[in-house]
Amino acid sequence: EVQLVESGGGLVQSGGSLRLSCAASGFTFSNFWMSWVRQAPGKGLEWVANINQDGSEKYYVDSVKGRFTISRDNAKKSLYLQMNSLRAEDTAVYYCARAGRAVAGIDYWGQGTLVTVSS
Amino acid sequence: NFMLTQPHSVSESPGKTVTISCTRSSGSIASNYVQWYQQRPGSAPTTVMYEDNQRPSGVPDRFSGSIDSSSNSASLTISGLKTEDEADYYCQSYGSSNSWVFGGGTKLTVL
Repeated sequence: EVQLVESGGGLVQSGGSLRLSCAASGFTFSNFWMSWVRQAPGKGLEWVANINQDGSEKYYVDSVKGRFTISRDNAKKSLYLQMNSLRAEDTAVYYCARAGRAVAGIDYWGQGTLVTVSS
Repeated sequence: NFMLTQPHSVSESPGKTVTISCTRSSGSIASNYVQWYQQRPGSAPTTVMYEDNQRPSGVPDRFSGSIDSSSNSASLTISGLKTEDEADYYCQSYGSSNSWVFGGGTKLTVL
């Protein structure tokens, strides 16, 4: 069974940093692109970042470029999101997700971790 | 980048059929696969359709997906509606520069 378990969310002041982690199990982690998607309170889903199988390709939504860094450790079967210079508008539930075989979208989602940025 | 526009809400009675649309603002809907996600209140999203019309294992065949080039839109159709289908539904497709684009979401009420 595919499982994605996020951790690391919490309350942080504006301008601060936070590192999210996602522990993967139930599949060969190194074979799949991985992603972060977020959802602000009461709002829709927003793609944040993607990373390819060996970490050599990374893509970000414009609003987080230069502030967030996606990374992975295939030996630990873990995905990360380093978030710096956090803003109030980054407040959201952050979901770890596995990209499907065509990398067109997501096939499995984690349960999410809440990040709250106070101003 | 293009936008994916969904109706804000739809409602239908149990046992009936409902279709949720997702219209692409520019470029062809057929040029990139469309996915659909279901999010029940208080829960994480789950995938109910991928690559336009492929159902993940465990998703009932009451769910079907299609694309219509004439209207430049994708659709998610749910037949034999059940109260458990009440949720928010999001479409998503592949955008420019290796990005993903989500629609704004549709709230389905089964009344």
